[in-house]
Amino acid sequence: DTGVSQNPRHKITKRGQNVTFRCDPISEHNRLYWYRQTLGQGPEFLTYFQNEAQLEKSRLLSDRFSAERPKGSFSTLEIQRTEQGDSAMYLCASSLGVGIGKDTQYFGPGTRLTVL
Amino acid sequence: AQKITQTQPGMFVQEKEAVTLDCTYDTSDQSYGLFWYKQPSSGEMIFLIYQGSYDEQNATEGRYSLNFQKARKSANLVISASQLGDSAMYFCAMREGPDFQKLVFGTGTRLLVSP
Repeated sequence: DTGVSQNPRHKITKRGQNVTFRCDPISEHNRLYWYRQTLGQGPEFLTYFQNEAQLEKSRLLSDRFSAERPKGSFSTLEIQRTEQGDSAMYLCASSLGVGIGKDTQYFGPGTRLTVL
Repeated sequence: AQKITQTQPGMFVQEKEAVTLDCTYDTSDQSYGLFWYKQPSSGEMIFLIYQGSYDEQNATEGRYSLNFQKARKSANLVISASQLGDSAMYFCAMREGPDFQKLVFGTGTRLLVSP
């Protein structure tokens, strides 16, 4: 059973550049989540999808951030005009859906972003 | 207001000993779920154990068990027979939202297992 995969694992970019991350969820998982984790903190929720519909965006997700999940499969998270404060680990998770035994979120290995 | 509190920044335990990692939570919901995740230095969050608010018995998964005390709003993780590979960050999380769509995490506890 293939787990959640994320690419790239590491990304170093210069301030002002755009970056895009990809997440491939566990197959047949309807829900996909993005979190951000900064040093010394737990992950913080950014957004989530039910199939291809983006149902909630955290206020942490400024207008420089956009996420998509075309066809309800993989998802991309794009950050435009990166800032040094965007440096963090970006984690993707997926779950079967809602309900007992279905809503456990399984995480990918994360993409570590460093903005110089 | 902080919803998940993990008061132990770091814990040390000797191999083969048991260790308890503390977690308290705050919610006014009647239905909620509590999770524990392990994060090794590689960065991936590994699901360990789940406890539902209506579950009558404490959850167990192999060497992991959850000491759930609803009245005290605590959900402590107990790791029995610690192994060197248990050295990692451990996060307690609570599921919240009208559609149970997000996890709220604590700040984590770093566990170090010594030989």
